[in-house]
Amino acid sequence: GENVEQHPSTLSVQEGDSAVIKCTYSDSASNYFPWYKQELGKRPQLIIDIRSNVGEKKDQRIAVTLNKTAKHFSLHITETQPEDSAVYFCAATTRGTGNQFYFGTGTSLTVIP
Amino acid sequence: DTEVTQTPKHLVMGMTNKKSLKCEQHMGHRAMYWYKQKAKKPPELMFVYSYEKLSINESVPSRFSPECPNSSLLNLHLHALQPEDSALYLCASSQPSGRAAYNEQFFGPGTRLTVL
Repeated sequence: GENVEQHPSTLSVQEGDSAVIKCTYSDSASNYFPWYKQELGKRPQLIIDIRSNVGEKKDQRIAVTLNKTAKHFSLHITETQPEDSAVYFCAATTRGTGNQFYFGTGTSLTVIP
Repeated sequence: DTEVTQTPKHLVMGMTNKKSLKCEQHMGHRAMYWYKQKAKKPPELMFVYSYEKLSINESVPSRFSPECPNSSLLNLHLHALQPEDSALYLCASSQPSGRAAYNEQFFGPGTRLTVL
């Protein structure tokens, strides 16, 4: 099955700096890559996603890049703010796998004011 | 309605109790999921229902029993749980694979379960 690795496990940045979280996946058939943000005690919320036919997607301060050849995708957050502090999970899935998402192990991001 | 709701928000139960967790969505999704999540860990898939039929059971112990009475509701029946089962239980929904090219999943707020 699919194996998703995520790095780093913890990340601290100064407010206003950029943060980058990286994930790799093993199954070349994976074709959908969502990123979830989970604040303490709350539900995971989808913040951005990318399909395998796209190399990059941006939504305001958040962007995701996908390199299918290398089988990795990354989350980029620019101009970080304290409210960006949360645990971020990447995931990968393949159409036809019975809707199964394979999650990365998570990155705990702290933005220092 | 673009939300997945779950009840109760918190549940404390003894090892001999029987309780149920409930999940509801009105987005017309035909796939629903139960996940178990420990603190700062990723959600662990337990069960998937597709068109009200159980399609994935990730080798979950029989003390957890899922039920999908209709396309909007998903239950998780709990019996004889162990303290290590204490966790956040998340429900999610999506369109099933084959219906849409990609399966964005929407999570409910979860039920915080404590087993004494």
